[in-house]
Amino acid sequence: DQQVKQNSPSLSVQEGRISILNCDYTNSMFDYFLWYKKYPAEGPTFLISISSIKDKNEDGRFTVFLNKSAKHLSLHIVPSQPGDSAVYFCAASENTGFQKLVFGTGTRLLVSP
Amino acid sequence: DAGITQSPRHKVTETGTPVTLRCHQTENHRYMYWYRQDPGHGLRLIHYSYGVKDTDKGEVSDGYSVSRSKTEDFLLTLESATSSQTSVYFCATARGNEQFFGPGTRLTVL
Repeated sequence: DQQVKQNSPSLSVQEGRISILNCDYTNSMFDYFLWYKKYPAEGPTFLISISSIKDKNEDGRFTVFLNKSAKHLSLHIVPSQPGDSAVYFCAASENTGFQKLVFGTGTRLLVSP
Repeated sequence: DAGITQSPRHKVTETGTPVTLRCHQTENHRYMYWYRQDPGHGLRLIHYSYGVKDTDKGEVSDGYSVSRSKTEDFLLTLESATSSQTSVYFCATARGNEQFFGPGTRLTVL
């Protein structure tokens, strides 16, 4: 039972264009969402997050959108750069007093020059 | 840099042997986690700790045990390794709503 789903295993984008990575969840108790980026042979690194009380959060080239009614969130990268090529994981947690993350299966982004 | 190191970084072992992976943190974070990453599954939580000697099971805890005798160290033990435990193992700590991951240990069980 996959509570957090990333239905696109891969995405290819040209440098300078927008990358849109999608994530769906089924657990209505999730109230905090995060995106992690992972390069080969390294651990995931935190990218951006959003609380369920918001519908948008921006950090430089990265914007996360949350649609609670659709149980859907997306990560927009504008403009995309070759260095953004990595695997992106969506994660979610409930407000239980400490953080227990549920991860999606990841989307591999390839940004070509 | 969250100050997390994992050892060993790579290990090859045989079925039925015990294996212990170590996670060490320098940030004095209370919460620590062990995940495994497998193709098609993302990262799945094995065990976590919310303080010294306080641990609990995650989603895929069968065949694994953990110990935390000091704030800075969190050990993951495979009592009798099986081929299904071939994976990349990540340790993480948490500060607020963010988790910080170590570099990972690639374990191969033959």
